[in-house]
Amino acid sequence: SQQGEEDPQALSIQEGENATMNCSYKTSINNLQWYRQNSGRGLVHLILIRSNEREKHSGRLRVTLDTSKKSSSLLITASRAADTASYFCGRNTGTASKLTFGTGTRLQVTL
Amino acid sequence: GAGVSQSPSNKVTEKGKDVELRCDPISGHTALYWYRQSLGQGLEFLIYFQGNSAPDKSGLPSDRFSAERTGGSVSTLTIQRTQQEDSAVYLCASSPTLTGELFFGEGSRLTVL
Repeated sequence: SQQGEEDPQALSIQEGENATMNCSYKTSINNLQWYRQNSGRGLVHLILIRSNEREKHSGRLRVTLDTSKKSSSLLITASRAADTASYFCGRNTGTASKLTFGTGTRLQVTL
Repeated sequence: GAGVSQSPSNKVTEKGKDVELRCDPISGHTALYWYRQSLGQGLEFLIYFQGNSAPDKSGLPSDRFSAERTGGSVSTLTIQRTQQEDSAVYLCASSPTLTGELFFGEGSRLTVL
């Protein structure tokens, strides 16, 4: 896509395992934001990482940003069945700070 | 403490009819987005309003789609002469700042028969 890609498209793991999903982008970003979506409902914001930051944590979530590779990763540690959802990365770009998304990663956590 | 409100939550219409989808953003939020999400797909950017600036309409798929934001608050997305491929969930989001997080509504599910 014009904005970049998220991978994998789908990920299935067992409870307790870690889940890693990746996001690439093509143009310089102001920041990058990760969101979660349950069953086609509205998205919920998880973490925002600015272009001058390399890592951020929030509970069991860890986000890294590598601007040289134009990529970011979201790590969910010790996953739970309740983490089952789709995860999207939003790329905030340009002077107008427009936020665009990719196709997301569907995470399935099984007991 | 209301969040972003969208209406209707579900809309079934016949091909060729016009539809209006409404979004009430969080009070004071200057940025407002519309996205479209087809079944099992990602979010497709449609249009972006930021304060008093001219809206970014670069994502609107055809001239059948239009949107306005009155008084810097409520927004309406209008789809004229609906087609079956317009069937999707239309998501609205608002943000208090230019670069901050978005707050999403629950979406309006449009089905065109």
